[in-house]
Amino acid sequence: SQQGEEDPQALSIQEGENATMNCSYKTSINNLQWYRQNSGRGLVHLILIRSNEREKHSGRLRVTLDTSKKSSSLLITASRAADTASYFCANYSGGYQKVTFGIGTKLQVIP
Amino acid sequence: NAGVTQTPKFQVLKTGQSMTLQCAQDMNHEYMSWYRQDPGMGLRLIHYSVGAGITDQGEVPNGYNVSRSTTEDFPLRLLSAAPSQTSVYFCASRDHATGTEGYTFGSGTRLTVV
Repeated sequence: SQQGEEDPQALSIQEGENATMNCSYKTSINNLQWYRQNSGRGLVHLILIRSNEREKHSGRLRVTLDTSKKSSSLLITASRAADTASYFCANYSGGYQKVTFGIGTKLQVIP
Repeated sequence: NAGVTQTPKFQVLKTGQSMTLQCAQDMNHEYMSWYRQDPGMGLRLIHYSVGAGITDQGEVPNGYNVSRSTTEDFPLRLLSAAPSQTSVYFCASRDHATGTEGYTFGSGTRLTVV
């Protein structure tokens, strides 16, 4: 399977704390993406990090990529209750034609 | 722009029935995909299309058919529904082949097969 694996599968933190979630693939990583899914909704694209980049920032999000370890991490700083959602990583394969998703990390931010 | 529109939002089918899940996008995106989401299994790719007239199988294509006669529409057909197809189905689209853009997702269709 090309599916990614996220770690941890569930995470509960207090508002204001930082949240870190990790993603790894068995296949090579090509332009990895992170998505957020609020309960009962579709996924929303957060950030894409190219395979030749090591770190990328967007607002309170920081993404790192280690292609040698086939892994990525998403850090959400100063978390808010509104960040409560599931977070998925996604990897391109098949010459950028297919996108395979991880199983997700469920984040709960307690006010 | 409406983005990606999926209909219906909810559907209950009896085993053996067939139906079509509709997906339409108004962003002139070349790439469209169908995923199913099951608890603990993330999203799994069913079928995808890289342009009108071109479709290919994903990870779990059995029991599903697709066609792409226009850029805008990418319907997913369940040929003979089975309880194992109970899931939430998402359609997604993106622009280019370069792999530098993320997907825009629809809001999903929650399907129950009894």
